[in-house]
Amino acid sequence: GAGVSQTPSNKVTEKGKYVELRCDPISGHTALYWYRQSLGQGPEFLIYFQGTGAADDSGLPNDRFFAVRPEGSVSTLKIQRTERGDSAVYLCASSEGTSGKNEQFFGPGTRLTVL
Amino acid sequence: GQSLEQPSEVTAVEGAIVQINCTYQTSGFYGLSWYQQHDGGAPTFLSYNALDGLEETGRFSSFLSRSDSYGYLLLQELQMKDSASYFCAVRDNGGFKTIFGAGTRLFVKA
Repeated sequence: GAGVSQTPSNKVTEKGKYVELRCDPISGHTALYWYRQSLGQGPEFLIYFQGTGAADDSGLPNDRFFAVRPEGSVSTLKIQRTERGDSAVYLCASSEGTSGKNEQFFGPGTRLTVL
Repeated sequence: GQSLEQPSEVTAVEGAIVQINCTYQTSGFYGLSWYQQHDGGAPTFLSYNALDGLEETGRFSSFLSRSDSYGYLLLQELQMKDSASYFCAVRDNGGFKTIFGAGTRLFVKA
């Protein structure tokens, strides 16, 4: 596609439920990132992939969060036993993964609301 | 620890010049980037500095001083559409992990 897409655009769930958020990066981009953004804050790094492997998952807040990118393209962020504090906009970005400037292209985000 | 400091808000008038500062403290440094985000939108890349000095891209310029762990974004000939949040971001190691500041909200007044 022309840009990074994310589905769903909005997700409302109840505390304790499991959710999956999907990201479809720009074709050919090897690096894929997940961020979480709360109102009035900057994107908070969660994890990034280089190809199929998680190159750095140091930003995942705890073991309820997990992400995969099995074929090196689409990625899924999975959150188990959701808590109200998980409510935020989850942003995905992709980049070529090779250049120094590492320009990241962001998707529109998934707004997650945990009731 | 890792931290980036930027002013929370800046207000300027249309046609003016505004500078948004960023100081960073990270375990490593592989470049300072700037992103723009309009309300309800996605962040978009503006500029990148890996070496000291000024980089110019149209009305936007970005400056870096690695010895001072400091950079700024300069916006010239401000337009109403420049009202947005601006984030500085640092690659803090040899990979692509990127840390963002909390953002500076720019209000451009007529």
